[in-house]
Amino acid sequence: AQRVTQPEKLLSVFKGAPVELKCNYSYSGSPELFWYVQYSRQRLQLLLRHISRESIKGFTADLNKGETSFHLKKPFAQEEDSAMYYCALSGPRDNYGQNFVFGPGTRLSVLP
Amino acid sequence: NAGVTQTPKFRVLKTGQSMTLLCAQDMNHEYMYWYRQDPGMGLRLIHYSVGEGTTAKGEVPDGYNVSRLKKQNFLLGLESAAPSQTSVYFCASSYHPSRMNEQYFGPGTRLTVT
Repeated sequence: AQRVTQPEKLLSVFKGAPVELKCNYSYSGSPELFWYVQYSRQRLQLLLRHISRESIKGFTADLNKGETSFHLKKPFAQEEDSAMYYCALSGPRDNYGQNFVFGPGTRLSVLP
Repeated sequence: NAGVTQTPKFRVLKTGQSMTLLCAQDMNHEYMYWYRQDPGMGLRLIHYSVGEGTTAKGEVPDGYNVSRLKKQNFLLGLESAAPSQTSVYFCASSYHPSRMNEQYFGPGTRLTVT
């Protein structure tokens, strides 16, 4: 069964410091990985997806199939990056059409 | 274009009471989902729908029922609320049944069962 783990419940860094939010997954096939973000008092929104290989708000994430990881990184954290971050995995559709799993989330706090 | 909306935003129920949460989307999305968010548990899928008139069970369906009578609406029902159902409920929708498709979320409904 698909599973997503995020080992850190809370991660605190100082402004300007590098940040890495860890995400590991278990999946037998070729997964599709995402990062979603939830800022304070806002709804969840997609931050980036691995297949796009894009950088959003300075964040990047590389899929490492050997280590089954999809860590989110940013070289210089900003205070506005403080939020809850969820790693998510999409597997093949089941008989009904969808299989999407979220990790438990990591709360990032960027200190001034 | 309101996106995904949820009604109500807050609710307090007593054990055994029933209620229905309404999710509406105006993006003509085929897929709709109901999640619950609990501390340390992340988002867990309750039920989802791949189109009008269809529903399917997610990871934690017990104690909930859903209906998708219209494409734009996805209702989540609690027939007999229990304290374990105290949570924040999120509805989401996505356009196409592609694995890579982005899910759009509603603002959430905070439910407390006493």
